[in-house]
Amino acid sequence: EPEVTQTPSHQVTQMGQEVILRCVPISNHLYFYWYRQILGQKVEFLVSFYNNEISEKSEIFDDQFSVERPDGSNFTLKIRSTKLEDSAMYFCASSVRVNTGELFFGEGSRLTVL
Amino acid sequence: DQQVKQNSPSLSVQEGRISILNCDYTNSMFDYFLWYKKYPAEGPTFLISISSIKDKNEDGRFTVFLNKSAKHLSLHIVPSQPGDSAVYFCAASAKAAGNKLTFGGGTRVLVKP
Repeated sequence: EPEVTQTPSHQVTQMGQEVILRCVPISNHLYFYWYRQILGQKVEFLVSFYNNEISEKSEIFDDQFSVERPDGSNFTLKIRSTKLEDSAMYFCASSVRVNTGELFFGEGSRLTVL
Repeated sequence: DQQVKQNSPSLSVQEGRISILNCDYTNSMFDYFLWYKKYPAEGPTFLISISSIKDKNEDGRFTVFLNKSAKHLSLHIVPSQPGDSAVYFCAASAKAAGNKLTFGGGTRVLVKP
């Protein structure tokens, strides 16, 4: 069964460092997303991406964050200068259609900022 | 963000019995509601959904009920099986916001053999 894959599974970084989280969405999916879950909190929407541009972003997704689809398969989330409060599980997701909410999530990348 | 709320953080049920998970929402713009299931060290997995034009949707052992006037939905699992032990998230979206999901805090279900 096709799945969304994410790397790394866990990254530890120092505050202020840049981090890139990588995702390979399901191949025939057109819509891509990043969500995150801070420990003990809700899963939160960060950004959605379609047709090589951001279609929607939350207030969390400030100038420190960026997304890119550098080739036909990868979808990346970059955090330019990490803060302690960026420590979270980051989930990539993809979907075939929009407006159904039926997303396929990856297993997540745990980011720990020290 | 309290737009989607799951008031029960945990639920314990005997195998074979019914599990009932509840979810409340406040945003009347939401028109699509979903349940996701999450095992440890995995991402959320889509379980079942319901559009706001319906009040019930059934898929095997899983049934979702929507009460729009009360802004309430519930997930029924019957019969419950040990493999159903997981965290269940209620989520909602508005057509205008594409697939931007607003999640509840989750309910941890433990099905005892």
